Amino acid sequence: GQQVMQIPQYQHVQEGEDFTTYCNSSTTLSNIQWYKQRPGGHPVFLIQLVKSGEVKKQKRLTFQFGEAKKNSSLHITATQTTDVGTYFCAGPRSGGSNYKLTFGKGTLLTVNP
Amino acid sequence: DGGITQSPKYLFRKEGQNVTLSCEQNLNHDAMYWYRQDPGQGLRLIYYSQIVNDFQKGDIAEGYSVSREKKESFPLTVTSAQKNPTAFYLCASSSPQRNYNEQFFGPGTRLTVL
Repeated sequence: GQQVMQIPQYQHVQEGEDFTTYCNSSTTLSNIQWYKQRPGGHPVFLIQLVKSGEVKKQKRLTFQFGEAKKNSSLHITATQTTDVGTYFCAGPRSGGSNYKLTFGKGTLLTVNP
Repeated sequence: DGGITQSPKYLFRKEGQNVTLSCEQNLNHDAMYWYRQDPGQGLRLIYYSQIVNDFQKGDIAEGYSVSREKKESFPLTVTSAQKNPTAFYLCASSSPQRNYNEQFFGPGTRLTVL
């Protein structure tokens, strides 16, 4: 079945350093979504990417969807302590509808102030 | 203020007891989901429902049951058949009107079976 893999599983950075998490799907995706879960909290939707090669920015966060629509990345510039949490990517299961998503296992980001 | 509520936030049960986790949404979403989260395991789909009175098994449905009698409610029962029920349970919903382009999650219930 479809697999969505994320690396790294954990990342610890000093405040001000950059951070990148990568997401790879075993199948071509019609779109990809990113979620953030703060410690003790619940996942919150960040963004959806749809087009091949798409790049979207949200302040210090840059999201990219690969040309082949099988991989994606989230890059955070100059991390802050507020960026701490687990970042998940998710893609629609076979069939293309977002009705059912497959989530990656997430990347836990910790930031040392 | 629309959203998803789950209660209780923490739940303790003795081994062998069934327990029901509540999930209510006032977002008018048709689709609802239950996920289980264990450390380092991401989100695993237990059950999902696209419309009232219909639901489907997800990837790890064994030992769980659900009902969807109302659009707003999707309770999850963790039965004694579930071998390792201690986990963080998340309920979510999404809307076909938005092409299911975002799942909204409740605050979660942390279940501990003693």
